[in-house]
Amino acid sequence: DAGVIQSPRHEVTEMGQEVTLRCKPISGHDYLFWYRQTMMRGLELLIYFNNNVPIDDSGMPEDRFSAKMPNASFSTLKIQPSEPRDSAVYFCASSLGGLETQYFGPGTRLLVL
Amino acid sequence: GDSVTQMEGPVTLSEEAFLTINCTYTATGYPSLFWYVQYPGEGLQLLLKATKADDKGSNKGFEATYRKETTSFHLEKGSVQVSDSAVYFCALSSKAAGNKLTFGGGTRVLVKP
Repeated sequence: DAGVIQSPRHEVTEMGQEVTLRCKPISGHDYLFWYRQTMMRGLELLIYFNNNVPIDDSGMPEDRFSAKMPNASFSTLKIQPSEPRDSAVYFCASSLGGLETQYFGPGTRLLVL
Repeated sequence: GDSVTQMEGPVTLSEEAFLTINCTYTATGYPSLFWYVQYPGEGLQLLLKATKADDKGSNKGFEATYRKETTSFHLEKGSVQVSDSAVYFCALSSKAAGNKLTFGGGTRVLVKP
């Protein structure tokens, strides 16, 4: 079975540009999570969805960040406009029936110049 | 709020050596405890978990025991291999925090042949 799929794997962009990260969760999973990983702050939960509905977005850093899940097999995390401090690895994860056993994608490494 | 503290790395050891990674936590109530592992270039994956005091989680030769009296969940492996080189994350989930996972900062382990 395919795991969580994220694209792109690497993204380099300039400050001010819009960035869109994509995620396909494991088929049948009903929870989807977006995390950000940095050396300074470690692994932070940004937002999670249950059955395509955003449940908790308290970790979203500011209005420049937005996430959507239009259907059960696709989610996006958008940063507009991007800033150098957004440089990080962004992980998508999915789970079935609860929040505890999560399956992570390989991540998108974002560099904002 | 909930928090997880784990020993800083990197931890460097030789093949077949004994590995211990310390993890302590602060949480309201009785959380579930987890170890996740991140291999180079990959997302995190669940290694083992324990849901109540004195439970022992085990997988792939790794073990960790839920110690409520010391609020600890130390990870151990008796004989490591080069393939165990990775970053290990201790995590907890508690009902008070909506069952979201709270991760420690991660411990990088490097096993040399």
